[in-house]
Amino acid sequence: TQLLEQSPQFLSIQEGENLTVYCNSSSVFSSLQWYRQEPGEGPVLLVTVVTGGEVKKLKRLTFQFGDARKDSSLHITAAQPGDTGLYLCAGATAGGTSYGKLTFGQGTILTVHP
Amino acid sequence: NAGVTQTPKFQVLKTGQSMTLQCAQDMNHEYMSWYRQDPGMGLRLIHYSVGAGITDQGEVPNGYNVSRSTTEDFPLRLLSAAPSQTSVYFCASSYREGYYEQYFGPGTRLTVT
Repeated sequence: TQLLEQSPQFLSIQEGENLTVYCNSSSVFSSLQWYRQEPGEGPVLLVTVVTGGEVKKLKRLTFQFGDARKDSSLHITAAQPGDTGLYLCAGATAGGTSYGKLTFGQGTILTVHP
Repeated sequence: NAGVTQTPKFQVLKTGQSMTLQCAQDMNHEYMSWYRQDPGMGLRLIHYSVGAGITDQGEVPNGYNVSRSTTEDFPLRLLSAAPSQTSVYFCASSYREGYYEQYFGPGTRLTVT
C-alpha cells in the first residue's frame, strides 16, 4: 500500500501570514492532486500536477510536484479567513494492478484567524 | 446537472444491521469509487468500479459489498454493521481513473451503535 504523509496536521495562523503544507511519500506517483474540503461537504479539486518539477499557481496558492514525483507542496501567500478548511493531497498510483487509484494523505486542517 | 448525489445524509444503525448507501452520478463517468473518512486518516478507498459490471477492492473492503449494474449508480452495502464502520462515507466519480478530477458527493454520516 502506498502511503502519503501530509504535514502539518493542524495549522492555525493569522490573516496575512504565509504557509506551506507538505505531502511526502517513498513511492512514485503518476500524478498528484490537491483537494479542499469544507465541513459537511465533499472534497473539491484545486489542482492536478503531472510532470516532475511542475509548478502551478492558482491566485495566492502555489503547488509544486517534486522532481522525482514522490512529494508535493502547497504554499499559500497572505492567507485569508476564506482559506480555512481541510486540505488533502492525493496521489495516483503509477503502475501495476493498482494503476490510477488514488491514495490520500491524512489532511491538513487550516484555520486562518481574522 | 446534479453531479454526484448520495442518500441518506445521516444514518444510525445498530450492530448487526445491514443497509445500502446510494450513490448516483449524471455525468456519464466511467470511474466511480467509495471512500470512508475518519479523523486523522484522510480518505481511504473501499471499492471502485471502472465501468458497468466491473468492480474491485480498494484499501479497506472488508464488511462492504458493491455492484455496478448501470453507469449511473454505484451502491455500497454494509452486510452486518459494526461500530468500527462508524464514519463519513463519500462516493466519487471521474471520467477515468488516474489524474482526472474526482467529483465527490456530499457524504453520508453513519453511526453504528
